Amino acid sequence: AQKVTQAQTEISVVEKEDVTLDCVYETRDTTYYLFWYKQPPSGELVFLIRRNSFDEQNEISGRYSWNFQKSTSSFNFTITASQVVDSAVYFCALSEAGVKAAGNKLTFGGGTRVLVKP
Amino acid sequence: ETGVTQTPRHLVMGMTNKKSLKCEQHLGHNAMYWYKQSAKKPLELMFVYNFKEQTENNSVPSRFSPECPNSSHLFLHLHTLQPEDSALYLCASSPLGRPISMNTEAFFGQGTRLTVV
Repeated sequence: AQKVTQAQTEISVVEKEDVTLDCVYETRDTTYYLFWYKQPPSGELVFLIRRNSFDEQNEISGRYSWNFQKSTSSFNFTITASQVVDSAVYFCALSEAGVKAAGNKLTFGGGTRVLVKP
Repeated sequence: ETGVTQTPRHLVMGMTNKKSLKCEQHLGHNAMYWYKQSAKKPLELMFVYNFKEQTENNSVPSRFSPECPNSSHLFLHLHTLQPEDSALYLCASSPLGRPISMNTEAFFGQGTRLTVV
C-alpha cells in the first residue's frame, strides 16, 4: 500500500522568508510519480510540480524548488521569498505509474498549512 | 480556472434526501475521479472512471453512487447520507498518457462543500 506523510501540520512565516515543506512516502512500486498541489481557500487543488521516480534531478521553477531523495523516500518542496498569496494548504501526493488504464490515482499526505504574514 | 467545473459549490441536505453532485471538464481528458476531503482524514480517492468505465471503487458505501455518461461528465448521486459524510467532494480529470506509462497530472475542480444534517 502507498502512504504519504507530511509531518508539518502548519508553518507560519513572515513574507520574504523561505519555506520548506517536508514529504516522506512509502510505496512498493519501482516506478511512480510524486506531486505537490496547493489548495487555496477557494478549495480547488492547483497542480504545482511533478517528479518521476526515475529522475532524481532537482530543479527550480520560479520561486519553487524541490529536493527528491529516492534513498530516503523524501520529496521536499521549497518556496523561496514567500509572499502572502502563497498562504494555502500544500499537499504532497504519490501515484503509481505505467499501469494501463489505471489513471492518475493519487495518494495524498495530510497537508501542511502555510501562513505567510505581511 | 482549471477547466473542471463542479456544481453546486455548497449543498445542505437531510439524511433522507436524494441529491446529485455534478462535474464537467472541457479539457478532453478521458479519466475522471471523485475524491473526498473531510476534516479528520487526508484526501481520499473514492472512484475512478477511465473512458466512461468505472475502474476503481475504493470501498465506498453504496449510499454514494457514481455515474459517468460520457468522458466530459461525472455525477455522484447521494442518498440516505450520514452526518459523517459531510465533507468537501472534489472532482478531478486527467488524460491517460500516450504512451500509457506517461500519466500526467490531474486537474481538480473547486469542490462541493456538502453538509448533512
